Amino acid sequence: KNEVEQSPQNLTAQEGEFITINCSYSVGISALHWLQQHPGGGIVSLFMLSSGKKKHGRLIATINIQEKHSSLHITASHPRDSAVYICAVRSVGGNKLVFGAGTILRVKS
Amino acid sequence: DAGITQSPRHKVTETGTPVTLRCHQTENHRYMYWYRQDPGHGLRLIHYSYGVKDTDKGEVSDGYSVSRSKTEDFLLTLESATSSQTSVYFCAISESGITGNEQFFGPGTRLTVL
Repeated sequence: KNEVEQSPQNLTAQEGEFITINCSYSVGISALHWLQQHPGGGIVSLFMLSSGKKKHGRLIATINIQEKHSSLHITASHPRDSAVYICAVRSVGGNKLVFGAGTILRVKS
Repeated sequence: DAGITQSPRHKVTETGTPVTLRCHQTENHRYMYWYRQDPGHGLRLIHYSYGVKDTDKGEVSDGYSVSRSKTEDFLLTLESATSSQTSVYFCAISESGITGNEQFFGPGTRLTVL
């Protein structure tokens, strides 16, 4: 079993829909990261969080440490949100990230 | 954008040949990482460095070696490339490895081993 599991693996949405991507992990962590990878490959860090919730524009990331679960929400989705969204965790005391396999999101206009 | 470049960006080589990929940063970050990305696996750590001449193995280090003689450069070498090393390779940097700092990623190198 992977340390980091994401769901769904693939997601197709209509423009304007509210989107949720989930990440579950099995180890104690010091931080969880959400990353975005657009077609063409570049990887960008969206959020780093260790508790609670963070918001940036239409993106919201939440984490529940007790349940070892995080969600990434996209409000009012747009075709430019189409990308792979990757969850990664840093274990307590660790200096490396462990990555989920990613969620492929396609937003249709 | 963090100043990270990778070279080459694309490479096609033959089985058995040596290959070196270069990661260069202008951020003076202490930590540098090499990952490979394959369909269905996500990003997997090959090697990382926590300072000049200080490196350690990741989860998929077999067949790879690294060197870091300067803060700004981290080299990944495939001594004798195999088809299983066909992948997209990403370099990343972070200021600190143990406090949950963000990692910033380079643009990637697409390597094909025939």
